[in-house]
Formats: sequence, structure tokens, C-alpha cells
Amino acid sequence: GEDVEQSLFLSVREGDSSVINCTYTDSSSTYLYWYKQEPGAGLQLLTYIFSNMDMKQDQRLTVLLNKKDKHLSLRIADTQTGDSAIYFCAESPSGTYKYIFGTGTRLKVLA
Amino acid sequence: DAGVTQSPTHLIKTRGQQVTLRCSPKSGHDTVSWYQQALGQGPQFIFQYYEEEERQRGNFPDRFSGHQFPNYSSELNVNALLLGDSALYLCASSLDNEQFFGPGTRLTVL
Repeated sequence: GEDVEQSLFLSVREGDSSVINCTYTDSSSTYLYWYKQEPGAGLQLLTYIFSNMDMKQDQRLTVLLNKKDKHLSLRIADTQTGDSAIYFCAESPSGTYKYIFGTGTRLKVLA
Repeated sequence: DAGVTQSPTHLIKTRGQQVTLRCSPKSGHDTVSWYQQALGQGPQFIFQYYEEEERQRGNFPDRFSGHQFPNYSSELNVNALLLGDSALYLCASSLDNEQFFGPGTRLTVL
């Protein structure tokens, strides 16, 4: 079935690292994505990783991919209050054009 | 670059009515996808348009239909509205493997 799972909430202190986890179902997914959604807004593409990679770093963001366990994580270094938002992971199964999203993880950054 | 734009921002309709939502893709993008995001949920894929044809459809009833114009802009139409159609409707445009989302249209069905 199609079911991308994420934990619902994460709370961190400003300056700490945040790690948001996701498990996906389709091993054929070629790309895996992380999006950020602020209140009342659309989704902002943060980063994505190609399925033949284990890790991708982009400034404060690090994506780790474990294909064997179908596990994806997003690490945000030096988390700031502006990082407070809902984070969605998404997979794009091979042979389809749709993205399958998780239910989102609400990140709260405490000052 | 204006990015993906959607109109209207908010809309209130009553059960049984019909609604049309509009989307203009990011400059240079030829593909438009529509998603429904219910409160507290992740976006659910409705369908994707490419070259003015519906290329793929998600698990949504025929009440949901769409159109893509020669300039790549798109419309989403929903007939016979139900209370459960209340949601944020997101349009995404893409070229290759990245989908960029607009701000959405918040539809409330009373």
C-alpha cells in the first residue's frame, strides 16, 4: 500500500539540531523529498535525494537515506525559531507522476 | 519569477454547488498537478496535466475534473460539492523531477 509515516510532533531548543524521521513504502521510488509548510501557506521544497545516494547535505540541512529500511531523515543544524513549521516527506514511486506525502511532523522551536 | 500562483485565495460554497479553481505554473514549467490537503493531513494527489491531457489520476471521484490550457495554466473543477470537500487545494508545477507548490486555495463547503 501507499503509506508514508512520520511522527507527529518534535520540540527542540533554539540552536540545537532537529532530526525528523520518515518511513516510506515503495522501494522503487526514485526521488524522496522534504517540504516545509508554514501556517496558512503552500509547501516549500527544501531538498530531495536521489535513491542511489545515502546522504545529501545542503547548508544546514542533511538528508540521510537508508534504502534497506526505507527510512529517510532530515537533520536541521542550529535550529532557529523561523524553522518552526510542518515538515513533510514525500516519495515519488517509479512509473508514476504523483508524490505520496506523509502526514507531516510539526516542529516547534523553543527560544 | 512569480512562482506558482493560484486563485482565489479563499472560497466559501454550499453543498451541491460547483467550484472552479485556477493555477498558473512557474515560468518554464509545462506540467501541473493538483492536490487536496485536508486539515491536519498531508496533500493527496488528485491528478496531473501535461500537454493539455490528464496524465495520471489519484483516487478521487469523477466530480473532480480539470483542464490545462495551451499556456500551461490549469483549472480544477469540483461538482456537487460535499462537506468533505472542504480543504486546501494545492497546485504544483514541475519540469523534470521537482514539484513547486503554490499557496493554495482554501475551500469551505457549508
